[in-house]
Amino acid sequence: GESVGLHLPTLSVQEGDNSIINCAYSNSASDYFIWYKQESGKGPQFIIDIRSNMDKRQGQRVTVLLNKTVKHLSLQIAATQPGDSAVYFCAVLVHSGYSTLTFGKGTMLLVSP
Amino acid sequence: DSGVTQTPKHLITATGQRVTLRCSPRSGDLSVYWYQQSLDQGLQFLIQYYNGEERAKGNILERFSAQQFPDLHSELNLSSLELGDSALYFCASSVEDSNQPQHFGDGTRLSIL
Repeated sequence: GESVGLHLPTLSVQEGDNSIINCAYSNSASDYFIWYKQESGKGPQFIIDIRSNMDKRQGQRVTVLLNKTVKHLSLQIAATQPGDSAVYFCAVLVHSGYSTLTFGKGTMLLVSP
Repeated sequence: DSGVTQTPKHLITATGQRVTLRCSPRSGDLSVYWYQQSLDQGLQFLIQYYNGEERAKGNILERFSAQQFPDLHSELNLSSLELGDSALYFCASSVEDSNQPQHFGDGTRLSIL
């Protein structure tokens, strides 16, 4: 089966810093990856996705990098703001008969003013 | 606001009881997914319906069942409840299948006393 790991359970940064959240996956056949943000009392919120035919994708203040060689995914948040404080999950599409998303355990991002 | 609506927000019941959780997907989305989130297991995929038909099954107990109705709303039925079923239950929807972004509702918090 797929295992999805996060390199750090908690990441503390200062407002204005850039944040990098990492994720490792195990199945080289995985071809679709999503980052979610979950605030307290809310459901996971879609941030950005990337398919395996790309190495990098940019959104508003966020960039996702995919390294298929080492099966690693990262989310970069530029100029981190207090409102970015949340738990961030990577999700990986796993194909085993049918296709389902497997979620990592999450990294809590704490942004200090 | 993701456009996915879940009711009720909170549910408190006793062991052995049965509950029904309801989900209305985003307008136009054909797939509905159910997830369970607990502190020790993280976000676990339960089941997916696509246009009224079961598409994929994950770690769903036999005591749990779901269905998707012709208007595309979905219900998750949990029966013979046990203390360990206490968790957050999320519904997500996507336009078609799981290789597209899933958008989550804010969940139902189920507490078993």
